[in-house]
Amino acid sequence: QVQLQESGPGLVKPSETLSLTCAVSGYSISSGYYWGWIRQPPGKGLEWIGSIYHSGSTYYNPSLKSRVTISVDTSKNQFSLKLSSVTAADTAVYYCARQWDYGDYYFDYWGQGTLVTVSS
Amino acid sequence: EIVMTQSPATLSVSPGERATLSCRASQSVSSNLAWYQQKPGQAPRLLIYGASTRATGIPARFSGSGSGTEFTLTISSLQSEDFAVYYCQQYNNWPLWTFGQGTKVEIK
Repeated sequence: QVQLQESGPGLVKPSETLSLTCAVSGYSISSGYYWGWIRQPPGKGLEWIGSIYHSGSTYYNPSLKSRVTISVDTSKNQFSLKLSSVTAADTAVYYCARQWDYGDYYFDYWGQGTLVTVSS
Repeated sequence: EIVMTQSPATLSVSPGERATLSCRASQSVSSNLAWYQQKPGQAPRLLIYGASTRATGIPARFSGSGSGTEFTLTISSLQSEDFAVYYCQQYNNWPLWTFGQGTKVEIK
Protein backbone atom coordinates (compact mmCIF):
# COMPACT_ATOMS: atom_id res chain seq x y z
CA GLN A 1 0.00 0.00 0.00
CA VAL A 2 1.41 3.34 -1.08
CA GLN A 3 1.51 5.93 1.68
CA LEU A 4 2.62 9.56 1.63
CA GLN A 5 3.31 11.78 4.61
CA GLU A 6 3.99 15.51 4.55
CA SER A 7 6.20 17.19 7.11
CA GLY A 8 7.50 20.68 7.74
CA PRO A 9 6.92 23.87 9.71
CA GLY A 10 3.30 24.82 10.31
CA LEU A 11 4.13 28.52 10.58
CA VAL A 12 6.21 30.58 8.17
CA LYS A 13 6.87 34.29 8.29
CA PRO A 14 5.98 36.54 5.35
CA SER A 15 8.77 36.88 2.76
CA GLU A 16 10.44 33.68 3.96
CA THR A 17 10.60 30.30 2.24
CA LEU A 18 8.12 27.52 2.90
CA SER A 19 9.76 24.08 2.92
CA LEU A 20 7.90 20.78 3.02
CA THR A 21 8.93 17.17 2.56
CA CYS A 22 6.83 14.21 1.49
CA ALA A 23 8.01 10.79 2.63
CA VAL A 24 6.80 7.91 0.49
CA SER A 25 6.44 4.33 1.65
CA GLY A 26 5.21 1.25 -0.15
CA TYR A 27 6.66 2.32 -3.49
CA SER A 28 10.07 3.42 -4.72
CA ILE A 29 9.93 6.91 -6.23
CA SER A 30 12.74 6.03 -8.64
CA SER A 31 10.60 3.27 -10.15
CA GLY A 32 8.15 5.58 -11.86
CA TYR A 33 5.23 8.02 -11.84
CA TYR A 34 5.02 11.72 -11.21
CA TRP A 35 4.98 13.09 -7.67
CA GLY A 36 3.04 16.24 -7.06
CA TRP A 37 2.15 19.00 -4.67
CA ILE A 38 -1.35 20.43 -4.43
CA ARG A 39 -2.60 23.08 -2.02
CA GLN A 40 -5.96 24.14 -0.65
CA PRO A 41 -6.51 27.51 1.05
CA PRO A 42 -8.92 27.34 3.99
CA GLY A 43 -12.47 26.87 2.72
CA LYS A 44 -11.40 26.92 -0.92
CA GLY A 45 -10.64 24.57 -3.77
CA LEU A 46 -7.58 22.66 -4.95
CA GLU A 47 -4.64 24.19 -6.79
CA TRP A 48 -1.91 22.17 -8.45
CA ILE A 49 1.49 23.61 -7.52
CA GLY A 50 3.89 21.38 -9.41
CA SER A 51 5.10 17.85 -10.06
CA ILE A 52 8.37 16.01 -10.45
CA TYR A 53 8.86 12.99 -12.66
CA HIS A 54 10.75 10.03 -11.25
CA SER A 55 13.62 10.93 -13.57
CA GLY A 56 13.87 14.36 -11.94
CA SER A 57 12.12 16.50 -14.56
CA THR A 58 9.99 19.18 -12.98
CA TYR A 59 6.75 20.88 -14.01
CA TYR A 60 5.29 23.91 -12.30
CA ASN A 61 2.08 25.88 -12.33
CA PRO A 62 2.93 29.05 -14.29
CA SER A 63 1.22 31.15 -11.63
CA LEU A 64 3.77 29.97 -9.05
CA LYS A 65 6.71 29.00 -11.22
CA SER A 66 8.97 31.90 -10.25
CA ARG A 67 8.76 30.92 -6.56
CA VAL A 68 8.58 27.10 -6.63
CA THR A 69 11.24 24.42 -6.53
CA ILE A 70 10.46 20.71 -6.29
CA SER A 71 13.23 18.19 -5.80
CA VAL A 72 13.55 14.49 -5.13
CA ASP A 73 15.83 12.47 -2.87
CA THR A 74 15.63 8.88 -4.07
CA SER A 75 17.99 7.66 -1.34
CA LYS A 76 15.43 8.70 1.25
CA ASN A 77 12.43 7.97 -1.00
CA GLN A 78 11.06 11.46 -0.53
CA PHE A 79 10.44 14.64 -2.48
CA SER A 80 10.32 18.23 -1.35
CA LEU A 81 8.66 21.56 -2.03
CA LYS A 82 10.15 25.01 -1.56
CA LEU A 83 8.02 28.11 -2.05
CA SER A 84 9.84 31.40 -1.67
CA SER A 85 8.70 34.90 -0.76
CA VAL A 86 5.51 33.71 0.87
CA THR A 87 2.59 35.94 1.75
CA ALA A 88 -0.67 35.37 3.62
CA ALA A 89 -2.16 34.19 0.32
CA ASP A 90 0.05 31.10 0.55
CA THR A 91 -1.67 29.97 3.74
CA ALA A 92 -3.16 26.60 2.88
CA VAL A 93 -3.23 22.87 3.49
CA TYR A 94 -0.46 21.42 1.37
CA TYR A 95 -0.87 17.90 0.00
CA CYS A 96 1.62 15.65 -1.68
CA ALA A 97 0.31 13.00 -4.03
CA ARG A 98 1.35 10.35 -6.50
CA GLN A 99 0.39 11.22 -10.04
CA TRP A 100 -0.23 8.57 -12.63
CA ASP A 101 1.78 8.41 -15.84
CA TYR A 102 1.20 7.24 -19.43
CA GLY A 103 -1.16 10.05 -20.34
CA ASP A 104 -3.45 9.60 -17.36
CA TYR A 105 -2.21 12.29 -14.99
CA TYR A 106 -4.65 11.92 -12.16
CA PHE A 107 -3.64 11.76 -8.49
CA ASP A 108 -4.28 8.32 -7.02
CA TYR A 109 -2.58 8.39 -3.62
CA TRP A 110 -2.55 11.44 -1.35
CA GLY A 111 -0.90 12.41 1.90
CA GLN A 112 -3.09 13.57 4.76
CA GLY A 113 -2.07 17.18 4.20
CA THR A 114 -0.32 19.71 6.39
CA LEU A 115 -1.55 23.19 7.23
CA VAL A 116 0.96 25.96 6.66
CA THR A 117 0.10 29.38 8.01
CA VAL A 118 1.96 32.46 6.82
CA SER A 119 2.02 35.02 9.59
CA SER A 120 4.46 37.17 11.49
CA GLU B 1 -5.01 27.27 -19.01
CA ILE B 2 -8.13 25.12 -19.13
CA VAL B 3 -10.76 26.40 -16.70
CA MET B 4 -12.99 23.81 -15.08
CA THR B 5 -16.41 24.99 -13.94
CA GLN B 6 -18.53 22.86 -11.65
CA SER B 7 -22.25 23.20 -11.00
CA PRO B 8 -24.09 23.58 -8.84
CA ALA B 9 -21.92 24.94 -6.05
CA THR B 10 -24.12 23.18 -3.51
CA LEU B 11 -26.51 20.30 -4.07
CA SER B 12 -29.07 19.38 -1.41
CA VAL B 13 -30.14 15.76 -1.66
CA SER B 14 -32.01 13.35 0.58
CA PRO B 15 -30.41 10.01 1.47
CA GLY B 16 -31.34 7.36 -1.08
CA GLU B 17 -31.90 9.90 -3.85
CA ARG B 18 -29.80 10.38 -6.98
CA ALA B 19 -27.26 13.17 -7.22
CA THR B 20 -26.03 14.57 -10.51
CA LEU B 21 -22.97 16.83 -10.54
CA SER B 22 -21.69 18.68 -13.59
CA CYS B 23 -18.23 19.74 -14.70
CA ARG B 24 -17.56 21.83 -17.79
CA ALA B 25 -14.18 22.49 -19.39
CA SER B 26 -13.34 25.73 -21.20
CA GLN B 27 -11.96 23.64 -24.09
CA SER B 28 -12.00 19.98 -24.95
CA VAL B 29 -10.18 17.66 -22.58
CA SER B 30 -11.22 14.50 -24.45
CA SER B 31 -11.86 11.89 -21.73
CA ASN B 32 -8.95 13.03 -19.59
CA LEU B 33 -11.00 13.88 -16.55
CA ALA B 34 -10.99 12.66 -12.95
CA TRP B 35 -13.38 13.08 -10.05
CA TYR B 36 -12.41 13.26 -6.39
CA GLN B 37 -14.36 13.16 -3.14
CA GLN B 38 -13.22 15.17 -0.14
CA LYS B 39 -14.65 14.94 3.34
CA PRO B 40 -13.94 17.55 6.03
CA GLY B 41 -10.42 17.32 7.37
CA GLN B 42 -9.43 14.64 4.86
CA ALA B 43 -7.42 14.50 1.69
CA PRO B 44 -9.24 14.12 -1.61
CA ARG B 45 -9.93 10.53 -2.70
CA LEU B 46 -9.86 9.47 -6.34
CA LEU B 47 -13.26 8.23 -7.49
CA ILE B 48 -13.22 8.24 -11.29
CA TYR B 49 -10.57 8.63 -13.99
CA GLY B 50 -10.79 8.55 -17.74
CA ALA B 51 -14.18 10.25 -17.27
CA SER B 52 -15.92 6.96 -16.53
CA THR B 53 -13.60 4.38 -14.96
CA ARG B 54 -14.08 3.80 -11.25
CA ALA B 55 -10.93 3.73 -9.18
CA THR B 56 -10.11 0.67 -7.09
CA GLY B 57 -12.59 0.09 -4.29
CA ILE B 58 -15.10 2.72 -5.39
CA PRO B 59 -18.72 1.53 -5.10
CA ALA B 60 -20.77 1.00 -8.23
CA ARG B 61 -23.25 3.71 -7.20
CA PHE B 62 -20.66 6.22 -8.43
CA SER B 63 -20.56 6.65 -12.19
CA GLY B 64 -18.99 9.15 -14.52
CA SER B 65 -19.86 10.11 -18.07
CA GLY B 66 -19.07 12.66 -20.74
CA SER B 67 -16.27 13.68 -23.04
CA GLY B 68 -14.98 16.83 -24.65
CA THR B 69 -16.20 19.70 -22.50
CA GLU B 70 -19.19 18.30 -20.59
CA PHE B 71 -18.94 15.75 -17.81
CA THR B 72 -21.26 14.31 -15.18
CA LEU B 73 -20.73 12.47 -11.92
CA THR B 74 -23.79 10.54 -10.78
CA ILE B 75 -24.33 9.01 -7.38
CA SER B 76 -27.25 6.68 -7.89
CA SER B 77 -28.49 6.37 -4.31
CA LEU B 78 -26.85 8.65 -1.79
CA GLN B 79 -25.54 7.05 1.36
CA SER B 80 -24.70 8.99 4.51
CA GLU B 81 -20.98 8.65 3.80
CA ASP B 82 -21.37 10.30 0.38
CA PHE B 83 -22.09 13.76 1.72
CA ALA B 84 -18.89 15.59 0.87
CA VAL B 85 -17.31 17.98 -1.63
CA TYR B 86 -16.59 16.68 -5.11
CA TYR B 87 -13.92 18.04 -7.46
CA CYS B 88 -13.23 17.40 -11.11
CA GLN B 89 -9.72 17.64 -12.57
CA GLN B 90 -8.62 17.75 -16.18
CA TYR B 91 -5.33 16.18 -17.19
CA ASN B 92 -5.50 16.65 -20.95
CA ASN B 93 -3.46 19.85 -20.94
CA TRP B 94 0.01 18.56 -20.07
CA PRO B 95 1.66 19.81 -17.92
CA LEU B 96 -0.89 22.26 -16.53
CA TRP B 97 -3.47 20.28 -14.63
CA THR B 98 -6.47 22.13 -13.22
CA PHE B 99 -9.31 21.45 -10.82
CA GLY B 100 -12.86 22.68 -10.67
CA GLN B 101 -13.97 24.74 -7.71
CA GLY B 102 -15.99 21.90 -6.21
CA THR B 103 -19.60 20.91 -5.58
CA LYS B 104 -20.75 20.36 -2.03
CA VAL B 105 -23.33 17.61 -1.63
CA GLU B 106 -25.30 18.23 1.54
CA ILE B 107 -28.16 16.53 3.30
CA LYS B 108 -31.57 17.91 2.37
